[in-house]
Amino acid sequence: EAGVAQSPRYKIIEKRQSVAFWCNPISGHATLYWYQQILGQGPKLLIQFQNNGVVDDSQLPKDRFSAERLKGVDSTLKIQPAKLEDSAVYLCASSLGQGTLYNEQFFGPGTRLTVL
Amino acid sequence: AQSVTQPDIHITVSEGASLELRCNYSYGATPYLFWYVQSPGQGLQLLLKYFSGDTLVQGIKGFEAEFKRSQSSFNLRKPSVHWSDAAEYFCAVGVEGRRALTFGSGTRLQVQP
Repeated sequence: EAGVAQSPRYKIIEKRQSVAFWCNPISGHATLYWYQQILGQGPKLLIQFQNNGVVDDSQLPKDRFSAERLKGVDSTLKIQPAKLEDSAVYLCASSLGQGTLYNEQFFGPGTRLTVL
Repeated sequence: AQSVTQPDIHITVSEGASLELRCNYSYGATPYLFWYVQSPGQGLQLLLKYFSGDTLVQGIKGFEAEFKRSQSSFNLRKPSVHWSDAAEYFCAVGVEGRRALTFGSGTRLQVQP
């Protein structure tokens, strides 16, 4: 079974530029998550989708971050414009079912973003 | 709000030695508790979880963890560490009614030959 795929693996941009990350979850997983992991910290949930609807985006900085999952499969996370403090690893995860705590989350390898 | 503390940022053990990684949580009710491992360049992998019942839980790769309500702890243990266990370990807590996990800041494990 293929795991969660993410691209690109690495990205370096200048501040105020825009950037987009792509995630393809495990086939059949209805729930998709985006996490931000700043160096030295644990992952922090940015947004959670159930199929193509948003379940939780309470910690997403909506003035600069956006995410979509139009067909309920793959997803894109965008930052526009980027700030220095956005430098982090962006992790995508997916799970079966309703995405409750009982459903194991499977993580992709992440995209490491460096903002200069 | 719930929180998770992993007091040890970095731990070094010798191969074959026993291991205990500490995790303390703050939450009024019984939380759901998890341990994840993150190897370099890899995503997080679930080692084990506790929801209810037996307070000693077994996980993959020979790891176990014990929930101690009186100490608000969920420490991860392994009797004999292998070089391949070198990685970063994250404790996480979930609460009833919310789907998001709160992660600790992680403990980096180094294994000496």
